[in-house]
Amino acid sequence: DAGVIQSPRHEVTEMGQEVTLRCKPISGHNSLFWYRQTMMRGLELLIYFNNNVPIDDSGMPEDRFSAKMPNASFSTLKIQPSEPRDSAVYFCASSVNRGGTDTQYFGPGTRLTVL
Amino acid sequence: AQSVSQHNHHVILSEAASLELGCNYSYGGTVNLFWYVQYPGQHLQLLLKYFSGDPLVKGIKGFEAEFIKSKFSFNLRKPSVQWSDTAEYFCAVNDPGTGRRALTFGSGTRLQVQP
Repeated sequence: DAGVIQSPRHEVTEMGQEVTLRCKPISGHNSLFWYRQTMMRGLELLIYFNNNVPIDDSGMPEDRFSAKMPNASFSTLKIQPSEPRDSAVYFCASSVNRGGTDTQYFGPGTRLTVL
Repeated sequence: AQSVSQHNHHVILSEAASLELGCNYSYGGTVNLFWYVQYPGQHLQLLLKYFSGDPLVKGIKGFEAEFIKSKFSFNLRKPSVQWSDTAEYFCAVNDPGTGRRALTFGSGTRLQVQP
């Protein structure tokens, strides 16, 4: 089975540019999570969707970040404008919501560097 | 808010040594507990999980963990480590009772196994 797919795997951009990260969850999974990993803050939730609807976006840093899930098989995380402090590894994870006992499976991540 | 503590930040062991990594969480209600492993340059992979039932859970690659509710702990163990276990290990928890399905991660423990 294909796991969670993320693209691009690496992204290098300049401050001020727009960045779009993409995620394809595991087929049949109805929940999707975006996490960010940095040396300073570790792994932290940005946002998660259930049945394509955003449920908890309390981790989204500020208005520069936005996330969408237009259908069950695709989600995007957009940063506009990007800043050097956004440099991190962004992970997408998906799961099947089984009333609280779901297991999240992670994608390979996108390593973002903002110069 | 839930928090997870991993007190061992960096552990160095020789092959065949026994391993125990500590994990404590703060919330006293119903929790789901997970250990993930991240090999160098790779994504997070699930080692094991606890939802309910037998507090001693067995995972992949010979790992096991014990849930001790009275101590809010979920320590990871392996009787004999191998060089290939060199990786970073993350404890994570979510709170299905509060509806918060996103994972809260510990800061991670970097394990280095010397041949």
